[in-house]
Amino acid sequence: GQNIDQPTEMTATEGAIVQINCTYQTSGFNGLFWYQQHAGEAPTFLSYNVLDGLEEKGRFSSFLSRSKGYSYLLLKELQMKDSASYLCAVRDGDYKLSFGAGTTVTVRA
Amino acid sequence: IAGITQAPTSQILAAGRRMTLRCTQDMRHNAMYWYRQDLGLGLRLIHYSNTAGTTGKGEVPDGYSVSRANTDDFPLTLASAVPSQTSVYFCASSDGAADTQYFGPGTRLTVL
Repeated sequence: GQNIDQPTEMTATEGAIVQINCTYQTSGFNGLFWYQQHAGEAPTFLSYNVLDGLEEKGRFSSFLSRSKGYSYLLLKELQMKDSASYLCAVRDGDYKLSFGAGTTVTVRA
Repeated sequence: IAGITQAPTSQILAAGRRMTLRCTQDMRHNAMYWYRQDLGLGLRLIHYSNTAGTTGKGEVPDGYSVSRANTDDFPLTLASAVPSQTSVYFCASSDGAADTQYFGPGTRLTVL
């Protein structure tokens, strides 16, 4: 099984940077995903890491360290529309996704 | 617009009733999934199907059944609903089991 931990809530100011950490313990590893979920909506895919290092995609970046069982999602130049839950998900050896409980990010003006 | 549709959007159901949640995708994805999302617990996999004609159990399969008669449809059935099945249900699909999953809009189910 999987054990995935991420903070419950974070608050930041518009224009700032926020880093959401995710730690995991897994039986087999085939990649780590980050999804964004606005209240009342479906999760939408943000990023995917399977090798160690940083993946950058516009204002969002995701980092992975497999040896440490650690990932983070970095949100830069925060905008009000970035207020949402961010879900960390690990794909195991059977290619099944296990999700963390999610981190609710609130962006204040 | 290509994607995943789910029906109904929301439903209130009496305990003991049978209910089928529908999921259809038009992306010709091979793999499909059903998750439930509960506050503080995140998304949990109920059942999955890697290809038409096959299904498998996820983390929380008890009380639910699925079928995959064709590529596009993956219905989830609650044979006799109980209040603990009150949740938001998301269907997802991916091109293959090793590919990124994309989610439908969800069904909010309340069992009284």
